[in-house]
Amino acid sequence: GQQLNQSPQSMFIQEGEDVSMNCTSSSIFNTWLWYKQDPGEGPVLLIALYKAGELTSNGRLTAQFGITRKDSFLNISASIPSDVGIYFCAGQGYTNTGNQFYFGTGTSLTVIP
Amino acid sequence: EAEVAQSPRYKITEKSQAVAFWCDPISGHATLYWYRQILGQGPELLVQFQDESVVDDSQLPKDRFSAERLKGVDSTLKIQPAELGDSAMYLCASSRGQGNEQFFGPGTRLTVL
Repeated sequence: GQQLNQSPQSMFIQEGEDVSMNCTSSSIFNTWLWYKQDPGEGPVLLIALYKAGELTSNGRLTAQFGITRKDSFLNISASIPSDVGIYFCAGQGYTNTGNQFYFGTGTSLTVIP
Repeated sequence: EAEVAQSPRYKITEKSQAVAFWCDPISGHATLYWYRQILGQGPELLVQFQDESVVDDSQLPKDRFSAERLKGVDSTLKIQPAELGDSAMYLCASSRGQGNEQFFGPGTRLTVL
């Protein structure tokens, strides 16, 4: 299946710092999604991207759909303790059975007060 | 706010027993997904429904797993018999259609002893 490489695997930052993480694919995707997952809960959708080059913001979060359609970036500005969690990217591509989303391995974020 | 409902939230069973999980998607969402998430990894698709039809079940271990969405609304995922390696979080998600952003339920945490 298609592989999504997400980096970094984990981050430890001070409260107030900015955060950047990215996701790369071996294949072209048509949609990129970014999720946050707290322990024991389901992923919560943060941002959806539909066009190459698209830059979308949601509060302190900003995500971009890479021009090559093989990557996406998520930035968090002025981090706060509640930003702690695991962030997943998901890319949507076509398979012989239709549209399917593939998930990255996650970036674990720890914010130190 | 509309949400995806799942039950039970937690399930502990012994190997060789049968287990079943239930999912009620967001009203009006035609596409329903079941994912399995192993600790420390991203969700992996098990089965995808479009209304009552299976679109993709290529990753579903069909010797022991089954899924149905008889009326095109709620869905059930069954495992029989459960094995130790089935211990994981089982997530249900729904979307308006294929390729649209997916919304996840809280998940069912399965532990097989």
